[in-house]
Amino acid sequence: DAGITQSPRHKVTETGTPVTLRCHQTENHRYMYWYRQDPGHGLRLIHYSYGVKDTDKGEVSDGYSVSRSKTEDFLLTLESATSSQTSVYFCAISEPLGFLPSEQFFGPGTRLTVL
Amino acid sequence: GEDVEQSLFLSVREGDSSVINCTYTDSSSTYLYWYKQEPGAGLQLLTYIFSNMDMKQDQRLTVLLNKKDKHLSLRIADTQTGDSAIYFCAGGGYNKLIFGAGTRLAVHP
Repeated sequence: DAGITQSPRHKVTETGTPVTLRCHQTENHRYMYWYRQDPGHGLRLIHYSYGVKDTDKGEVSDGYSVSRSKTEDFLLTLESATSSQTSVYFCAISEPLGFLPSEQFFGPGTRLTVL
Repeated sequence: GEDVEQSLFLSVREGDSSVINCTYTDSSSTYLYWYKQEPGAGLQLLTYIFSNMDMKQDQRLTVLLNKKDKHLSLRIADTQTGDSAIYFCAGGGYNKLIFGAGTRLAVHP
């Protein structure tokens, strides 16, 4: 298994509080991603990073920010959590291989509940 | 942008073949992928197909691609209870994927 860990694995928080989720990799992969998984919606990309300090928005980025100060860590922050952000969050990593398919490796997920 | 659609649920008998279908909108996807998610876990790549191929076979798995109709399918031969999972198709660029909603495959005896 690719070396990807997520912390915390479970979190319950209250509306309006800030929350930070951490993704840590030991594979030295350039790309890192944050997705959320909701029933009926599958996986939706929140933000991704293509290098240290290089990030870009995904399709559902409102209410989320990210930071990547070193290759191995990618942080996802909910500045003021809302109940609509209750979800399972997955981190993924990949390494570009030119014109070859680039597999994304997924972490175990973080279940976040916002009350 | 890319949009990927799948049916949400499929139930099959153990030993039968399963066919999971997917339609996509962006014909510029270079590769199309199938990922598998087992309960409580992240996704794992199952197989992929290059966009200029019509078919790819990998042991019990057969991927069919109809570029004209923008239709992708995954056939699992001799489906086993261990195949029970959620299957996602995905398309897009080399480093940014759009996933479908996932098809939950239930295998019963």
